[in-house]
Amino acid sequence: DSGVTQTPKHLITATGQRVTLRCSPRSGDLSVYWYQQSLDQGLQFLIQYYNGEERAKGNILERFSAQQFPDLHSELNLSSLELGDSALYFCASSVVGSGLNEQFFGPGTRLTVL
Amino acid sequence: DQQVKQNSPSLSVQEGRISILNCDYTNSMFDYFLWYKKYPAEGPTFLISISSIKDKNEDGRFTVFLNKSAKHLSLHIVPSQPGDSAVYFCAARGGGTSYGKLTFGQGTILTVHP
Repeated sequence: DSGVTQTPKHLITATGQRVTLRCSPRSGDLSVYWYQQSLDQGLQFLIQYYNGEERAKGNILERFSAQQFPDLHSELNLSSLELGDSALYFCASSVVGSGLNEQFFGPGTRLTVL
Repeated sequence: DQQVKQNSPSLSVQEGRISILNCDYTNSMFDYFLWYKKYPAEGPTFLISISSIKDKNEDGRFTVFLNKSAKHLSLHIVPSQPGDSAVYFCAARGGGTSYGKLTFGQGTILTVHP
């Protein structure tokens, strides 16, 4: 158990809908990262927040947005969902935001868009 | 543009033998490299890392080698155990202002036979 929690574990929805994925980092970790893993793909970095502020951005679609709240939990919002958005979405956390220390990953949320 | 590549989708070894997992990268700005292990239905777990100023880092049965001139790194597991069977991801940090962003390879499935 990494100490990072993600809810829900599974999510099934229809095209055009909007969903929110939630992540609670390890106690004391200030940085939260979101990754997407599609079928046969490695993990693709989406976005990083550090202590409530956006720190780095990857190839995140405009239909996707994220935020980190004062209690340090984070939410990833996915809207106007398409079939291709079906994937595993992982959240990770670390103490600082430099990437030089390890990132602890949650168990992931499996999103299925029908 | 796949900046981190793991060209072997799978590797099969006998228990007690050495497992060698390979990773190539193209971005010379990467300054820190990590290996993660992933079991089904779980998030990736950090294994070992290496800074670009080093060429070797060892932790128990795991050793990572970095050849900067060849832009190549490898993970050696000696001796291999059945519990090592998992997907192994190589990841790289971009340095500079990329903060915590990690670029992952597509993974190699390692199977260790008893």
